[in-house]
Amino acid sequence: DAGVTQSPTHLIKTRGQQVTLRCSPISGHKSVSWYQQVLGQGPQFIFQYYEKEERGRGNFPDRFSARQFPNYSSELNVNALLLGDSALYLCASSLSGQGSNQPQHFGDGTRLSIL
Amino acid sequence: RKEVEQDPGPFNVPEGATVAFNCTYSNSASQSFFWYRQDCRKEPKLLMSVYSSGNEDGRFTAQLNRASQYISLLIRDSKLSDSATYLCVVHSYSSASKIIFGSGTRLSIRP
Repeated sequence: DAGVTQSPTHLIKTRGQQVTLRCSPISGHKSVSWYQQVLGQGPQFIFQYYEKEERGRGNFPDRFSARQFPNYSSELNVNALLLGDSALYLCASSLSGQGSNQPQHFGDGTRLSIL
Repeated sequence: RKEVEQDPGPFNVPEGATVAFNCTYSNSASQSFFWYRQDCRKEPKLLMSVYSSGNEDGRFTAQLNRASQYISLLIRDSKLSDSATYLCVVHSYSSASKIIFGSGTRLSIRP
């Protein structure tokens, strides 16, 4: 079975541009979460979606948005890119979402570089 | 104060040694706890869940102390392949879901 897949693997953008990152969860998983990881830090929680609804949000500005589709795949959008948005963006899926103790399974990530 | 705190290390121990990490959390409503390992430039991989009664998986033992709000990971008979960054994760879900990772503890096993 395929694990969590993310695309693209690498992306280079310039300040002010917009970016869309994509994630397909493990088959049967209904919850998707997004994280930002910069070098030397643990992943920072951005969003969690379950059954197409936002179930949790971290401390990120409104430039960050996401959605989940009926097939449980998800997109993360970032507008008005800043240099500080350069990071590894990780997607994770789990069987269920809020109220569960299901562990998360991560994709390989999208490495975003802002010039 | 960070919501989840870990000693960043690095811990540099010889092969075969026993090593332990702690992770403290500040939100008493936290409900699920996990340890992940992350190799350099790779994604985090689940190592084990942490249960209130403590749990063991081979050479790895995880403990949860809700009263003192910390979780621990013990690695016995460490192997070279255990060299990685170990991340503790805390899930809280009252009105909204919140998943907090620690900054990670770097472990290096030397021959």
